[in-house]
Amino acid sequence: EIVMTQSPATLSVSPGERATLSCRASQSVNSNLAWYQQKPGQAPRLLIYGASTRATGIPAGFSGGGSGTEFTLTISSLQSEDLAVYYCQQYNNWPRTFGQGTKVEI
Amino acid sequence: QVQLVESGGGLVKPGGSLRLSCEASGFTFSDYYMSWIRQAPGKGLEWISQISSSNSYTNYAESVKGRFTIFRDNAKNLLYLQMNSLRAEDTAVYYCASDSYGFDYWGQGTLVTVSS
Repeated sequence: EIVMTQSPATLSVSPGERATLSCRASQSVNSNLAWYQQKPGQAPRLLIYGASTRATGIPAGFSGGGSGTEFTLTISSLQSEDLAVYYCQQYNNWPRTFGQGTKVEI
Repeated sequence: QVQLVESGGGLVKPGGSLRLSCEASGFTFSDYYMSWIRQAPGKGLEWISQISSSNSYTNYAESVKGRFTIFRDNAKNLLYLQMNSLRAEDTAVYYCASDSYGFDYWGQGTLVTVSS
């Protein structure tokens, strides 16, 4: 099983600042990596797939990068509505596995 | 618009059974692989099962293999998860999701509580 490790566990950022979240895979997942945003009390929402492609309706302020085992999610200018837990997930191997999440605090 | 609505959750005793449903609308359900993902209270996300678009292929996490069965009715746009031999550690919100490059669309979830 591929283990996905996210860092940091919690990220405190001021409004308007840039936030960078990291995700590391225990073995290569190529570019088969997705990012999700989960706001309190809501279902997760797909932000990024293919490591760097924004999903439908996702604003340009969200960007993904990386390949192989190292990935990043960048929020260019943090807004209050970006308060959430962010998860990475690999879909290169079975079983599909998620990181433990990064909580973004404003 | 795309909508996925889960139902069937509730309180069940250890060793009991439950069947979850997921009604899909707003997209061509029969074209999509579908998955179930769960989230224990205060915890992260765990993928548990996937089914192919034509019902011919299924895959399960080790934690549920042999106890849970995923199936679908494309004529009714319905996805199911039959859960048997439930354990306390199966307590979670269960989400259905369309499955292509990542999990594109998610339902709102249904809570399953396994407790005596």
